[in-house]
Amino acid sequence: ETGVTQSPTHLIKTRGQQVTLRCSSQSGHNTVSWYQQALGQGPQFIFQYYREEENGRGNFPPRFSGLQFPNYSSELNVNALELDDSALYLCASSLGRGGSSDTQYFGPGTRLTVL
Amino acid sequence: DQQVKQNSPSLSVQEGRISILNCDYTNSMFDYFLWYKKYPAEGPTFLISISSIKDKNEDGRFTVFLNKSAKHLSLHIVPSQPGDSAVYFCAASAGYGNKLVFGAGTILRVKS
Repeated sequence: ETGVTQSPTHLIKTRGQQVTLRCSSQSGHNTVSWYQQALGQGPQFIFQYYREEENGRGNFPPRFSGLQFPNYSSELNVNALELDDSALYLCASSLGRGGSSDTQYFGPGTRLTVL
Repeated sequence: DQQVKQNSPSLSVQEGRISILNCDYTNSMFDYFLWYKKYPAEGPTFLISISSIKDKNEDGRFTVFLNKSAKHLSLHIVPSQPGDSAVYFCAASAGYGNKLVFGAGTILRVKS
């Protein structure tokens, strides 16, 4: 039991719409990372937050944005949805400031389908 | 640009035998390597990790080997159990920021 939860479990949107995905980190975990996992691939890093500040970003366009809140919850927002955004979105929390040995614990993911 | 590669999409092993999952990487800056296990409808679960200053790390039935000169790591599971059947992801990170770079995964099936 990792203690990381995500909502909703599944979501269907249409192209051009906006979506907000939510994550609740393990208590005391200051760092949250978001990943996108397309079918048949490994998770791809989107961005990371440490104590409400962005702490690194992967190769995703600005329409992917995030927020982290003081109560260990966070959001991933995606604007102007495209068909290729259909994927499993995973959040992961870790205790420290995101050093290499700082183990990341994943939530179950949100399955987003864009029609 | 796939920096972490798992070239075997699937592996089938008999219960009680050894499972060996392989992973290759290209980025010399990676200094930490991890293996995650994923069951359907669940998020990846951390299994075992190894720092680049080591060549072996063991935890119960799981051992990870790192060959830096070959840029290759492997996960050994001995003995394999039916409950080990899952997708196994190799991941790597390079220093501060802990952005994990994942391979595409290997589906392990342990037959009883």
